[in-house]
Amino acid sequence: TQLLEQSPQFLSIQEGENLTVYCNSSSVFSSLQWYRQEPGEGPVLLVTVVTGGEVKKLKRLTFQFGDARKDSSLHITAAQPGDTGLYLCAGTNFGNEKLTFGTGTRLTIIP
Amino acid sequence: NAGVTQTPKFQVLKTGQSMTLQCAQDMNHEYMSWYRQDPGMGLRLIHYSVGAGITDQGEVPNGYNVSRSTTEDFPLRLLSAAPSQTSVYFCASRNRQANLYGYTFGSGTRLTVV
Repeated sequence: TQLLEQSPQFLSIQEGENLTVYCNSSSVFSSLQWYRQEPGEGPVLLVTVVTGGEVKKLKRLTFQFGDARKDSSLHITAAQPGDTGLYLCAGTNFGNEKLTFGTGTRLTIIP
Repeated sequence: NAGVTQTPKFQVLKTGQSMTLQCAQDMNHEYMSWYRQDPGMGLRLIHYSVGAGITDQGEVPNGYNVSRSTTEDFPLRLLSAAPSQTSVYFCASRNRQANLYGYTFGSGTRLTVV
């Protein structure tokens, strides 16, 4: 069974600060997805990274896929209260529809 | 578009009862999946389907059945509910040829088994 460990599990910071969330595994994935989930709702896809070393930016969010395709990070610049939520990474493998989710990072941005 | 619709949103069952969680999507997506979400454990895959008539087991399939008679619908059946099945259940779908777009999730069914 492939496992994805996310750290930190909980993070509470002031508005305007920067932060990084990590997603690590001992297994290789063909792609990594990042989702954000708000209370009472399902996860919503933020980005998919598929190439080792790939970096994608989504406004103030920067996503990176590790060179060996075993890990990923999410960096948020100048966090805002609207960034509050549960952040989930999820890995896929070629020819396999089984999406493996990480344990999640619950982020709270304090105004 | 309605996206992925799950019903009911909340349900309380007694131990041993059976029920069906409904999931429907109107995006003509080939792939559909069921997940359960428990505190501190992320989402775990129960069953998935790559098209009508084709289903397969995920990580935690015991106690659940699925069928896929149409592209739009993917119901999840609890055969004999147990307290361990208390969880939030999510249905998700995606287009077979749109791997980069990830899954679209429904808003979930919160199930309590007493």
